[in-house]
Amino acid sequence: DAMVIQNPRYQVTQFGKPVTLSCSQTLNHNVMYWYQQKSSQAPKLLFHYYDKDFNNEADTPDNFQSRRPNTSFCFLDIRSPGLGDAAMYLCATSMQTGSYEQYFGPGTRLTVT
Amino acid sequence: AQSVTQLDSHVSVSEGTPVLLRCNYSSSYSPSLFWYVQHPNKGLQLLLKYTSAATLVKGINGFEAEFKKSETSFHLTKPSAHMSDAAEYFCVVHSGGYQKVTFGTGTKLQVIP
Repeated sequence: DAMVIQNPRYQVTQFGKPVTLSCSQTLNHNVMYWYQQKSSQAPKLLFHYYDKDFNNEADTPDNFQSRRPNTSFCFLDIRSPGLGDAAMYLCATSMQTGSYEQYFGPGTRLTVT
Repeated sequence: AQSVTQLDSHVSVSEGTPVLLRCNYSSSYSPSLFWYVQHPNKGLQLLLKYTSAATLVKGINGFEAEFKKSETSFHLTKPSAHMSDAAEYFCVVHSGGYQKVTFGTGTKLQVIP
């Protein structure tokens, strides 16, 4: 089945220690998104890629970076995680045209100790 | 500019009774509208979508939504609630080619046996 895969599902990192979350897709969608979702809140869009074109949301901290080496993979790098970065991180994909519906991965739960 | 308002943060219904989750939106574009469901510690799943075709949209698991442009609303309904419907529901507006995605704050649905 075509799908969006996130690894790992659970990640524990130490305060200030860089961490990378990964997302892969078999849908061949040209848009990939990263969201941060804190407990009992709506997902907050951090950035998205349209093919290789990177689009950062205005309020996304510089501490968050992303890479998309090819169509299938996208990475979220947190350079110096703080306690406030503990959250669920969701990856999603969509096509640029058509209905724009997003397909979400199961998420990575990040804990910062 | 674009915004989404989910009018109820919590809705509680008895099993077998109708469900109504309310969503109002505003957008400078001709938006696509979506409802997603999120069960605890899971990713988001698409329930249904409106993309300028039929104004009454049918989705999975017996859910429906009606797009009312004059009222700028996209309320989600289901004739008879099931215990498995207990989850968080998000109304989402997508600006299409502008790739502007806006989530509502979510409505937590509780189903009482």
